[in-house]
Amino acid sequence: DTAVSQTPKYLVTQMGNDKSIKCEQNLGHDTMYWYKQDSKKFLKIMFSYNNKELIINETVPNRFSPKSPDKAHLNLHINSLELGDSAVYFCASSQDRVGANVLTFGAGSRLTVL
Amino acid sequence: AQSVAQPEDQVNVAEGNPLTVKCTYSVSGNPYLFWYVQYPNRGLQFLLKYITGDNLVKGSYGFEAEFNKSQTSFHLKKPSALVSDSALYFCAVRERSSNTGKLIFGQGTTLQVKP
Repeated sequence: DTAVSQTPKYLVTQMGNDKSIKCEQNLGHDTMYWYKQDSKKFLKIMFSYNNKELIINETVPNRFSPKSPDKAHLNLHINSLELGDSAVYFCASSQDRVGANVLTFGAGSRLTVL
Repeated sequence: AQSVAQPEDQVNVAEGNPLTVKCTYSVSGNPYLFWYVQYPNRGLQFLLKYITGDNLVKGSYGFEAEFNKSQTSFHLKKPSALVSDSALYFCAVRERSSNTGKLIFGQGTTLQVKP
């Protein structure tokens, strides 16, 4: 039973399109995150939500819009896709947002913009 | 601002030899420190963390890490490397005083263990 699941795993699309990535966790965690891993494997936090409330919004272009319908789900919608959006997007969750809480990551969603 | 540096892009080790993957950090106050591992086409997996107390932390798969406050380092170590340890390793830091819980990752170090 996958703890943090993301769909789709692969996404290939044209510039200018709009796409969404969905994430669900069954761990009962309160906090969820989106991270972007670029082609050099560098990991950068994009957003975090705690109990459906936006906590971190890390200077991400407003073409990226996260939505958390409940604390078990955090979706990422991207408008007007650009070449530079090509990356692997990781969803993660943790029990809480502070302290020594450990993040549990999904397997990633590889987005390729042509 | 908090930051993490992993000075080596790649570390090469022969199987059976000890390995060290380096990490230094910069935060205000005492940090929480973490190591994660990423296998190809997989998400990151937690290895170990430093909270407080003993500077030597033991984690999964025989890995350990040593917290050195004066050198602001948290190097990952293993006494005897396995080929299956080959992966991408990330050090991460979180400020204790943070109310957002922002976790900052280093740039990653690829560990290559050769038979």
